[in-house]
Amino acid sequence: GIQVEQSPPDLILQEGANSTLRCNFSDSVNNLQWFHQNPWGQLINLFYIPSGTKQNGRLSATTVATERYSLLYISSSQTTDSGVYFCAVAYNTNAGKSTFGDGTTLTVKP
Amino acid sequence: DTGVSQDPRHKITKRGQNVTFRCDPISEHNRLYWYRQTLGQGPEFLTYFQNEAQLEKSRLLSDRFSAERPKGSFSTLEIQRTEQGDSAMYLCASSLDGHTIYFGSGTRLTVV
Repeated sequence: GIQVEQSPPDLILQEGANSTLRCNFSDSVNNLQWFHQNPWGQLINLFYIPSGTKQNGRLSATTVATERYSLLYISSSQTTDSGVYFCAVAYNTNAGKSTFGDGTTLTVKP
Repeated sequence: DTGVSQDPRHKITKRGQNVTFRCDPISEHNRLYWYRQTLGQGPEFLTYFQNEAQLEKSRLLSDRFSAERPKGSFSTLEIQRTEQGDSAMYLCASSLDGHTIYFGSGTRLTVV
């Protein structure tokens, strides 16, 4: 099956700093999503981004499908950004099965 | 839109007992998914419904696990003869278009 690797595994930032999280995947995909899991365990969908670039406030994401990677950018980080960020991919746009990476754990210190 | 709802939030059970979890998806969503997450890892796909039809099951879903979605509304996930290795967070998600999925808060199962 498809392999998903996320880097770095852990990231510690001071409030206000910027960061880039990376997701590499081993095969062509038609569905890619980024999620944030907060310290209480709730998974929040950030972006559906199988290709191209999207922005939502301080967050933006870029997927280069031909090179099999996606990047999540967090600017001017806040303590509420802390948690685990997951990338999830699927072969089919209508597939129920998504493969998740092991996540990047972000800690933002005040 | 009240989001995906899961019940219970926490469940502690003795090894060998049966447990059942419930998931209520976002009302207009026809796709419903179950995932399992253990500490330090990403969620793993278990099974998927489109309306009332169960379209795909992971090899992780042993014969002790069964899921239903009667009438294409809420879903239940039952684990029979629980084992300590079943301890995990069980997550339900739903989707309208298959592109974007929305997760519930999960049911944390502890088998003692």
